[in-house]
Amino acid sequence: EAEVAQSPRYKITEKSQAVAFWCDPISGHATLYWYRQILGQGPELLVQFQDESVVDDSQLPKDRFSAERLKGVDSTLKIQPAELGDSAMYLCASRSDALGQYFGPGTRLTVT
Amino acid sequence: DQQVKQNSPSLSVQEGRISILNCDYTNSMFDYFLWYKKYPAEGPTFLISISSIKDKNEDGRFTVFLNKSAKHLSLHIVPSQPGDSAVYFCAALSGGSGNTGKLIFGQGTTLQVKP
Repeated sequence: EAEVAQSPRYKITEKSQAVAFWCDPISGHATLYWYRQILGQGPELLVQFQDESVVDDSQLPKDRFSAERLKGVDSTLKIQPAELGDSAMYLCASRSDALGQYFGPGTRLTVT
Repeated sequence: DQQVKQNSPSLSVQEGRISILNCDYTNSMFDYFLWYKKYPAEGPTFLISISSIKDKNEDGRFTVFLNKSAKHLSLHIVPSQPGDSAVYFCAALSGGSGNTGKLIFGQGTTLQVKP
């Protein structure tokens, strides 16, 4: 069964450093999402892509976060500089034309 | 402003009994509602959904009920099994089922099914 791939699974970084996460959606899925999930809360949408275009990045802290999906396939989410409050699970999801979104395993980020 | 709320952080149920997870929402324009299950160190897994024009959807042991007038939905699991122990997220689809639609999640409810 096709899956959304994410790497790394875990990342520990010091504050003020740069960090990047990678996501490879299910083949053929045009829509890709990045979510942030803080412990005890539900996932919160950071950015949504349709192919290579950003559809919604209203919740993305653009002073330090950036996301790209240059060829409309895989995607990278970057944080620079990282802050202590960025510690969270970063989830990638993709969707075809169907309703449900398929999530990857996530990247657990710890900022020290 | 929390548009989707799961007011019970946790629920404990005996194996074989019914589990009822609740969810409330504030926006009457939501088109679809979905339930996701999440195990530790894994991403959420889609479980079941319901359109806003329906009041019930059933899939095996899982049934979702929607009460639009009360802006409330619930997930029933019957019978509950220990493998159902996980965090359950309620989510509402905003903006339609097309490509611009986005999910708004509740805070999650941790279900523990005791053998």
